[in-house]
Amino acid sequence: SQQGEEDPQALSIQEGENATMNCSYKTSINNLQWYRQNSGRGLVHLILIRSNEREKHSGRLRVTLDTSKKSSSLLITASRAADTASYFCATEYNFNKFYFGSGTKLNVKP
Amino acid sequence: DTAVSQTPKYLVTQMGNDKSIKCEQNLGHDTMYWYKQDSKKFLKIMFSYNNKELIINETVPNRFSPKSPDKAHLNLHINSLELGDSAVYFCASSQVKTQYFGPGTRLLVL
Repeated sequence: SQQGEEDPQALSIQEGENATMNCSYKTSINNLQWYRQNSGRGLVHLILIRSNEREKHSGRLRVTLDTSKKSSSLLITASRAADTASYFCATEYNFNKFYFGSGTKLNVKP
Repeated sequence: DTAVSQTPKYLVTQMGNDKSIKCEQNLGHDTMYWYKQDSKKFLKIMFSYNNKELIINETVPNRFSPKSPDKAHLNLHINSLELGDSAVYFCASSQVKTQYFGPGTRLLVL
């Protein structure tokens, strides 16, 4: 299958700590995106990294992409209770065809 | 104003029935999608329309029939509902790469 796979499946940390989630995929991609899903809600776009980029930042988010290892990581620094959500990576192989995994469920304890 | 809206939010129905889910976006996007999220949170693309034209059909049973009356609407009709159709169905739209998701329709087939 072509979908990205997030790792770990679940992560529990204390507020203020950093959270790192990983995504692995199988074949060459055009770009990779990270989305957040709060419980019972739709997904919200966080950040996009193109295949020719290695690192991208947005506020407390840092995304890396290693195309040789076919993997990406999402780092959330100084986590807050409001960051509690599931995080998904989405890979685009063909035009407008996106594949998601089953997400990493992050719990940030106050 | 809600960017991507879906109706209904909840749908409980008997096996064998036919049901429809509606989606509307007011973002002016050309591309719309239907995704299915199963109980393990795995999100899978079903269909994609670009300017009312079907461009992606991900080997979904032909009991599922999408219809796009105009580029702001993408509806999903499901015939002869089965137990395995129980899931959360998300509509999304995009103009470039970022997808905007609706709140989801929780379908339970009894």
